[in-house]
Amino acid sequence: GAGVSQSPRYKVAKRGQDVALRCDPISGHVSLFWYQQALGQGPEFLTYFQNEAQLDKSGLPSDRFFAERPEGSVSTLKIQRTQQEDSAVYLCASSQHEGGYGYTFGSGTRLTVV
Amino acid sequence: AQSVTQLDSQVPVFEEAPVELRCNYSSSVSVYLFWYVQYPNQGLQLLLKYLSGSTLVKGINGFEAEFNKSQTSFHLRKPSVHISDTAEYFCAVRDGGSNYKLTFGKGTLLTVNP
Repeated sequence: GAGVSQSPRYKVAKRGQDVALRCDPISGHVSLFWYQQALGQGPEFLTYFQNEAQLDKSGLPSDRFFAERPEGSVSTLKIQRTQQEDSAVYLCASSQHEGGYGYTFGSGTRLTVV
Repeated sequence: AQSVTQLDSQVPVFEEAPVELRCNYSSSVSVYLFWYVQYPNQGLQLLLKYLSGSTLVKGINGFEAEFNKSQTSFHLRKPSVHISDTAEYFCAVRDGGSNYKLTFGKGTLLTVNP
């Protein structure tokens, strides 16, 4: 596609519910990243994929967070047993090359946990 | 670990006035520097980047930034702003030792008034 597509755009979850956030990167982009942006803050790194391999998951806040990219294209970020502190915008980005010299970001999914 | 400081959380200016948004980063042997813009309810768009070479970098929408290694700064400037430049601006750094992870500042809200 022409850009990075994320769905849903908005998600309201009850505390304790599981959620799945989808990212469709630009076709052919090797690298894919997930970032978390809390209200009034800059994005913070969550995890990095190179093709289907998850090379870095050091930014995932807890073991309730899980990300996958099984075929090296679409990625899903799953959050189990959501808590209020998980409320944030989750941004996906992709880059043509290994690593990144300036990613292309999607519009994000705004997750609100009530 | 890298850190990025954006000294002003909000910058109000009048239309057609010049503007400078300040960014300082923690010192490292080599860094790559970026400025992103985020319009309301949208993802981040790359304005410009410094990878190497000339310290004055020109980006989209008439913005430019100057890399100053001795002052560990990468301030963003525009000689004449428009109403449409109203947005959140994020400075980001990629440590040369890491080939993918960006560390963002907390952002500066630029508000252009008529």
